[in-house]
Amino acid sequence: ETGVTQTPRHLVMGMTNKKSLKCEQHLGHNAMYWYKQSAKKPLELMFVYNFKEQTENNSVPSRFSPECPNSSHLFLHLHTLQPEDSALYLCASSQDTRGTEAFFGQGTRLTVV
Amino acid sequence: DQQVKQNSPSLSVQEGRISILNCDYTNSMFDYFLWYKKYPAEGPTFLISISSIKDKNEDGRFTVFLNKSAKHLSLHIVPSQPGDSAVYFCAASAYTGTASKLTFGTGTRLQVTL
Repeated sequence: ETGVTQTPRHLVMGMTNKKSLKCEQHLGHNAMYWYKQSAKKPLELMFVYNFKEQTENNSVPSRFSPECPNSSHLFLHLHTLQPEDSALYLCASSQDTRGTEAFFGQGTRLTVV
Repeated sequence: DQQVKQNSPSLSVQEGRISILNCDYTNSMFDYFLWYKKYPAEGPTFLISISSIKDKNEDGRFTVFLNKSAKHLSLHIVPSQPGDSAVYFCAASAYTGTASKLTFGTGTRLQVTL
């Protein structure tokens, strides 16, 4: 079992749909992150949570709504997305937000049609 | 404006030879640098890191060099093995007061040939 698990691995959704991405970490870390990787672009940080509290929102549109019910789980709720939101969404965790060694999940490949 | 740049999108090296992956950055506030490796259909895996107070860090076949004056770091893999074939991401970290934010480069695809 990997340290950071993401589900689903692949998701196709219409622009009017509502879906959620799930991330779970089994490393005992206190910080969790959502990253987005679009084609031919670097990984972009979206959100940071530390001890369940959101500490960073990197100017992400409100159609992306994160939720962190506890330090082990992180969700990304999606609604009314655009085709340009199609990307690989990666969850990561680290011991704390001062730590820099982040452990990544395998990602969710999202396609918006 | 990309603060972390990997100018070589791909690199091909023969097995047993040295692989050198390069990374340049522009933000002088970065205080920690990391290399991640990514295989297809997997998330990035942490490889090696270096603090800005050092100029070299070695871990087995992997060595990272940091030249702060040139704002340049490099990853050396020696000897290169076919299993090293992957995409390598350079990342730099700066503490914002609430969190350490990682800024990634676009990656270099390394192909180690037999």
